[in-house]
Amino acid sequence: GAVVSQHPSWVICKSGTSVKIECRSLDFQATTMFWYRQFPKQSLMLMATSNEGSKATYEQGVEKDKFLINHASLTLSTLTVTSAHPEDSSFYICSARDQLAGGNTGELFFGEGSRLTVL
Amino acid sequence: GNSVTQMEGPVTLSEEAFLTINCTYTATGYPSLFWYVQYPGEGLQLLLKATKADDKGSNKGFEATYRKETTSFHLEKGSVQVSDSAVYFCALSRTGGGNKLTFGTGTQLKVEL
Repeated sequence: GAVVSQHPSWVICKSGTSVKIECRSLDFQATTMFWYRQFPKQSLMLMATSNEGSKATYEQGVEKDKFLINHASLTLSTLTVTSAHPEDSSFYICSARDQLAGGNTGELFFGEGSRLTVL
Repeated sequence: GNSVTQMEGPVTLSEEAFLTINCTYTATGYPSLFWYVQYPGEGLQLLLKATKADDKGSNKGFEATYRKETTSFHLEKGSVQVSDSAVYFCALSRTGGGNKLTFGTGTQLKVEL
C-alpha cells in the first residue's frame, strides 16, 4: 500500500516553544490529510482536516491558533504546535487519502505518529 | 453523535487460540465500519472493512460482520499467531463523511507461545 511518513517520530521541547511536525505522502498525491491526537489509553481524536491550497477545517474544541496546519503541496502537510505547554504532550498521527486511487471513498493511509513531550 | 466502543485490553492469548475483540457503534445513517491494526513502531493499517449491513470483511484470517441489528462489528480470528500481537482499532465513517473516521480506544492483543 501507499506510504505516509511523519517526522519527527518523537520530539521533546521546552514549554513556550513551537514544534513543527511534518506529514508526507511518499508515493501518491493527497489533496486531503487528517491530523489526529491520541491520549494514552484513549481513542484517536480528529483534530482537523488539512486541505491542499486552502485553510484547514478544525473540529469543534480544537484551537486553530494553537495548532497551525499548512498544506502547501500535494504531498506535505505540517502541524505546528505553538507556544507548547505540558498539556499538549501527546501522540499526533496524520493520515492521507490517495485521491486518484479511490476518490472520496479511497483508503486512508496513516503515518507512524509523532510523540511530543513538552517539559 | 457517532461513537465506537470496543473492549478494553490488553487481551493475552496463547498461540492458536481463538480471538474475539468486541466492537459496538452508535451512528446516524449507514456508516462504513473498519478495523485498523497498529503493529509496534508502525502506523495504523487497514485490516478489513464492511460498507453495508451483513457484509463480512476479511483479511489475513481475520473476519468481522456488519450487524446492524446489534450495531456491532466484532473482530474474530480462529487461530492467532505471535505475529498478530498489535493494537486493534475499530472505527466508523459515516455516509458522506469524506473519510472522517471515529475510532474506538483500541485493544492491545498479546499472543504468547
